[in-house]
Amino acid sequence: DTAVSQTPKYLVTQMGNDKSIKCEQNLGHDTMYWYKQDSKKFLKIMFSYNNKELIINETVPNRFSPKSPDKAHLNLHINSLELGDSAVYFCASSRRGTSGAQTSTDTQYFGPGTRLTVL
Amino acid sequence: GQNIDQPTEMTATEGAIVQINCTYQTSGFNGLFWYQQHAGEAPTFLSYNVLDGLEEKGRFSSFLSRSKGYSYLLLKELQMKDSASYLCAVRTFSGGYNKLIFGAGTRLAVHP
Repeated sequence: DTAVSQTPKYLVTQMGNDKSIKCEQNLGHDTMYWYKQDSKKFLKIMFSYNNKELIINETVPNRFSPKSPDKAHLNLHINSLELGDSAVYFCASSRRGTSGAQTSTDTQYFGPGTRLTVL
Repeated sequence: GQNIDQPTEMTATEGAIVQINCTYQTSGFNGLFWYQQHAGEAPTFLSYNVLDGLEEKGRFSSFLSRSKGYSYLLLKELQMKDSASYLCAVRTFSGGYNKLIFGAGTRLAVHP
């Protein structure tokens, strides 16, 4: 039983195209995230949703638009793809998420990643 | 700004002990995590520290000193399967929300 799943696993596309990546978690978590891991392996947060509400939006180009139809799903749509968008995109989820100062672990669980290559 | 430093690469011998250090300068510190990431796979949770001291979990231990902005991950009885990247991540609390800031990771190679 996959906890956090993403589709597709690999995505190869031409510059200028529009593409979407889907993420689903069956952990019953309230919060979901999108991260980008570049060629230098730096894992950086892009967006976070808590119960379908956008709560973290880092300085990401507005060509990237996340959508959360329900708290178990978080999709990422990318318009007008550029070469620099090539990376691995990870979805993650956590139980209580990001609201309020916490001392509990509230671990983030990551999906398998989507390797996007823009040609 | 937020800054997390860890060595880029380390090598060690099977059966040995290795310590991976992480130093951080962040505001709103609210816990430190270590994740393991094998090549081509997702990061998986290893350990969490929010108070000073040592947390032990089988072959893995993690230490935190908040006053020094310092943590380390200790791996004992190294196995070949421990060859992976180890990511130090600081949870920061700001504007009512927490987020994880990751270091660039330390690539550990375990040799026979």
